Amino acid sequence: ETGVTQTPRHLVMGMTNKKSLKCEQHLGHNAMYWYKQSAKKPLELMFVYSLEERVENNSVPSRFSPECPNSSHLFLHLHTLQPEDSALYLCASSQDPLGAGNGELFFGEGSRLTVL
Amino acid sequence: DAKTTQPPSMDCAEGRAANLPCNHSTISGNEYVYWYRQIHSQGPQYIIHGLKNNETNEMASLIITEDRKSSTLILPHATLRDTAVYYCIVPTGTASKLTFGTGTRLQVTL
Repeated sequence: ETGVTQTPRHLVMGMTNKKSLKCEQHLGHNAMYWYKQSAKKPLELMFVYSLEERVENNSVPSRFSPECPNSSHLFLHLHTLQPEDSALYLCASSQDPLGAGNGELFFGEGSRLTVL
Repeated sequence: DAKTTQPPSMDCAEGRAANLPCNHSTISGNEYVYWYRQIHSQGPQYIIHGLKNNETNEMASLIITEDRKSSTLILPHATLRDTAVYYCIVPTGTASKLTFGTGTRLQVTL
């Protein structure tokens, strides 16, 4: 139990569906992250939120839309996805994203997404 | 992130020390070395980090060479549950720039 909870753990959706992934952290952290892990590829950083403001967007297609309503919750809204978007989506949180010595991220278990 | 080089895979017998090397020859003076691991189908787990001095916690020890161009993660008594991919990361600037490479796949065997 890392203190970061992701739901759902598994999701299957069609290319025309709209769905959302949810992440909640109970650690009192200020920063939250979305990572994508495709099969046999390294983790890719997608988005970073610090104090509910997006501070990083790594050229992610607009069919992925993040939302951070408060420092404890992070969503990833999915719309018109492609089969190649099938992957494990991981949420993480940290105390402070800005310090060089503060790279301790706490990850959730991930949401495994399959796009048909 | 500063480039890191790790062997793709290693084996270790249960109960033995696992020594996982990492080269980071382009590291600069104020950059930390972080280690994470990812057990199959789980999210990555932070293990340890250091700047110049050797570090130890309940999970592992981190040995950083004097010139800081390489480091070794030591699991003193490896168990089957330590089988995972281990990532050595040297973030440039902020923690938001943690870049996970391909890591070392450690297989602990009986």
